[in-house]
Amino acid sequence: DSGVTQTPKHLITATGQRVTLRCSPRSGDLSVYWYQQSLDQGLQFLIQYYNGEERAKGNILERFSAQQFPDLHSELNLSSLELGDSALYFCASSPAGQRSTEAFFGQGTRLTVV
Amino acid sequence: GEDVEQSLFLSVREGDSSVINCTYTDSSSTYLYWYKQEPGAGLQLLTYIFSNMDMKQDQRLTVLLNKKDKHLSLRIADTQTGDSAIYFCAESGNAGNMLTFGGGTRLMVKP
Repeated sequence: DSGVTQTPKHLITATGQRVTLRCSPRSGDLSVYWYQQSLDQGLQFLIQYYNGEERAKGNILERFSAQQFPDLHSELNLSSLELGDSALYFCASSPAGQRSTEAFFGQGTRLTVV
Repeated sequence: GEDVEQSLFLSVREGDSSVINCTYTDSSSTYLYWYKQEPGAGLQLLTYIFSNMDMKQDQRLTVLLNKKDKHLSLRIADTQTGDSAIYFCAESGNAGNMLTFGGGTRLMVKP
C-alpha cells in the first residue's frame, strides 16, 4: 500500500458528462501529481500541485482542471467527456516540490466513457 | 521534448535473469526510475538511480546507467513468476520533478 488513496476505483459515464476524481496524498506529502494512462498515449503527466498551488502543467486538456485543497487532497475535474478520455487516471504524491527522489502512486481510477 | 523508449515485451524462464532496457533523450535527466505495474494495480517504485551514478544494486535488482549513450537497464536476478508485470522506465528532467515514462515492457516469466 503506497499510502495514496484514490476514489472512486471505477467510473462509467456517458459522453458529454462531467466527473470528479479524488486523491488523498500520503500523510505529510505536499506535492500531488496527476497522470493519465491510456492504450494509445501511454502514461502522460497532466498536472502537479504543491501545497495548494499549481506547480507544473503537462498535456492536460482545457476541458480538464484540477485543484489542491488546504488539507492537501486533490481533485481532477473532467468535463465534456469524450470516448477518448477513457483511461486510467493516477494520482501520485511526494514530500517536496522539487527534485524529490520518490513519487508514490495510488491505485488509479479507471474511467470508462460510453 | 523528452522521449523515453522501451521494448514492448520480454519473456524469460523462472530462475533466469531478466534484463529490461530503456533509452532516453533528455541529457539533463537527473533521476531515472523503474516502476512496476501489476494487473489492476498502481505503479510501484522499484528503484531509482541518480544521473551521476553508473550502477545501483538493491537485492535482486541491478540498475546500470550509461549516461553517454543515454541507456538505462534493469536486471532482475533469479526471476520469479511473481515478477511478471509491466515495467516502466521514467526520467525526471529539469522541468520540476514530473516524470516522463516509457511505454512499458511487459515481462512474462514462464515456470
